[in-house]
Parts: sequence; C-alpha cells; structure tokens
Amino acid sequence: DQQVKQNSPSLSVQEGRISILNCDYTNSMFDYFLWYKKYPAEGPTFLISISSIKDKNEDGRFTVFLNKSAKHLSLHIVPSQPGDSAVYFCAAREETSGSRLTFGEGTQLTVNP
Amino acid sequence: GAGVSQSPSNKVTEKGKDVELRCDPISGHTALYWYRQSLGQGLEFLIYFQGNSAPDKSGLPSDRFSAERTGGSVSTLTIQRTQQEDSAVYLCASSLRSTPNRAAWYFGDGTRLSIL
Repeated sequence: DQQVKQNSPSLSVQEGRISILNCDYTNSMFDYFLWYKKYPAEGPTFLISISSIKDKNEDGRFTVFLNKSAKHLSLHIVPSQPGDSAVYFCAAREETSGSRLTFGEGTQLTVNP
Repeated sequence: GAGVSQSPSNKVTEKGKDVELRCDPISGHTALYWYRQSLGQGLEFLIYFQGNSAPDKSGLPSDRFSAERTGGSVSTLTIQRTQQEDSAVYLCASSLRSTPNRAAWYFGDGTRLSIL
C-alpha cells in the first residue's frame, strides 16, 4: 500500500521556467511533509517542509503548497536552474509512528540550459 | 567526520552469502534509520532505532534481515543468505530526536549492494 505517491517519474523544464513537482498521499494522519533532493551516488538532502496546519511554505526559489482536502502537495521551483536537476522525493510523517518518514517514489527533474 | 558515514560504498556478492553494512551516525544523534531504494522504487523503510528504546523493526522484509546498534552509535545491518531481490542502495540516516525540526535528518551516501 503506497501511502505517498509521486505519479510522475520524470519532469523536464527549461532553465528559468517554473518546475512543479506533485505528490499525493492517502493517510489522513500525516501531520508533516517534507521534500528531499537527491543527486546520483549521494544521500538525500532536505529541501523544504510544511506542517499540516499550513497551506504554504516558501524558502527562496522553493515553495511547497499543501491541499489537505485533496491530500495533495506540490513543490514549485522558480526560476529553475540546471543545478536543480536531481531526483526529488516527497516524504510524510505520521505522529503516531514516531519519527519514521514515508517516502514517495521520486521524480527525476531535468532542467535544460 | 561531520556527516553520516556508510561503508562499504559498494558491495558485490554472490547469492546466498551474508553481508554486513555499517552506518556511523552523526555524533550525538540518538535516532538512526535504515532505508533502502531498489531500482525504480522509492525509499523503503527498514528499521528505526531511538536511544535505548526497542527498535521499530516493522519494515524489515524478512527474517534474513537484522540490525543492531551498539552503544547507541554505530549500526550494522546484516542480510543473511542474500537473494537477488536484495540488490538496492541501502541508506542510513540519523537525527536528533529532541529536535522540533523534522527536517533535521541527515542521510549517508548509501551502500550500493549488488547480488549476483
């Protein structure tokens, strides 16, 4: 049972444009959501997060939007840069599971110069 | 070192052999997690250690998998009688349990395990 799903395995955008990465979840008990970025042969690194009591969090070029009613979140990167090319993982935490995170399958973002 | 260290970075072994993967968390981090990523898949939870509490082993896929954490620091993930489906990148992460910032997970670069 995949509780966190990233339905797009890949996304390609032009440099300077907006990248929108999507994530859907099924567990209404998730209370915290995170995005991680992963380069080849490296571990994931934290990018941005959002609590379930908010609907938007912004950090520089990165903004995460949460739509609880739709159980959907998205990561917006604007403007996109070639260095943003990486695999992006959506993750969610359920309060009762302690610190454990549930990850999506990841989306490979390619930003073309 | 300053980060989470995993060894070896790559491991190739024959089916049926046992393997041990090591994780050195960031000093002072009380929580330690093992995940794995199979080809084309997301990160799959395996096991979670928090201080001296009993570990959460609910993600271990079979009894061939086991993990321990000695002295609340270094952790070893052991896979016995390896199978080809065990081939994956095994990732370790650590965090300060007390931190209110759930973002403070730090991942190692992983061990790429290939079973021939």
